[in-house]
Amino acid sequence: SQQGEEDPQALSIQEGENATMNCSYKTSINNLQWYRQNSGRGLVHLILIRSNEREKHSGRLRVTLDTSKKSSSLLITASRAADTASYFCATLKAAGNKLTFGGGTRVLVKP
Amino acid sequence: DAGVTQSPTHLIKTRGQHVTLRCSPISGHKSVSWYQQVLGQGPQFIFQYYEKEERGRGNFPDRFSARQFPNYSSELNVNALLLGDSALYLCASSLTITYEQYFGPGTRLTVT
Repeated sequence: SQQGEEDPQALSIQEGENATMNCSYKTSINNLQWYRQNSGRGLVHLILIRSNEREKHSGRLRVTLDTSKKSSSLLITASRAADTASYFCATLKAAGNKLTFGGGTRVLVKP
Repeated sequence: DAGVTQSPTHLIKTRGQHVTLRCSPISGHKSVSWYQQVLGQGPQFIFQYYEKEERGRGNFPDRFSARQFPNYSSELNVNALLLGDSALYLCASSLTITYEQYFGPGTRLTVT
């Protein structure tokens, strides 16, 4: 079973617009990580947010974490065609040692 | 610095055969994890090794096994291949168990 569930499953936007995707999970976590995957190849680590953090930024990426709602969001600002990819959230449980991935959000950025 | 490397890139096997996939972690990383990703889905955890010991196992049959060597590289073995084993197999390395995991490019396994 998948701990994290992303929403929406797919997203189509114009270049320059912002893209927001959400992730919900079920159990207590140590941290939550976001990854990008292009064309079914390896995953690229984007950002890690720990359970005691509420917001993190990295370049055009902004991640929030609400542990009371067991949810996280990833915002990509000023999107580019190169941002076209699948985005996955993955959670590491509080006493766990494995990442549990959601099904991903497929983002298409049209030029 | 070199990232996580995996070999081979692609592999075609027939049902019932055995396959060995290999992974070299980032230098200095002591933890290696294996994931299976079926087309259109997120990766599913198979194994985690840390300091050459198995630290976690996902919900996969005993046909799947792995090991980690003294240089921290790892092998994933799958016996008696089934059509449903066709997937992208991803290896990830991290400094320790709870740190960021960095993924290799994967091995695309097709079972016919």
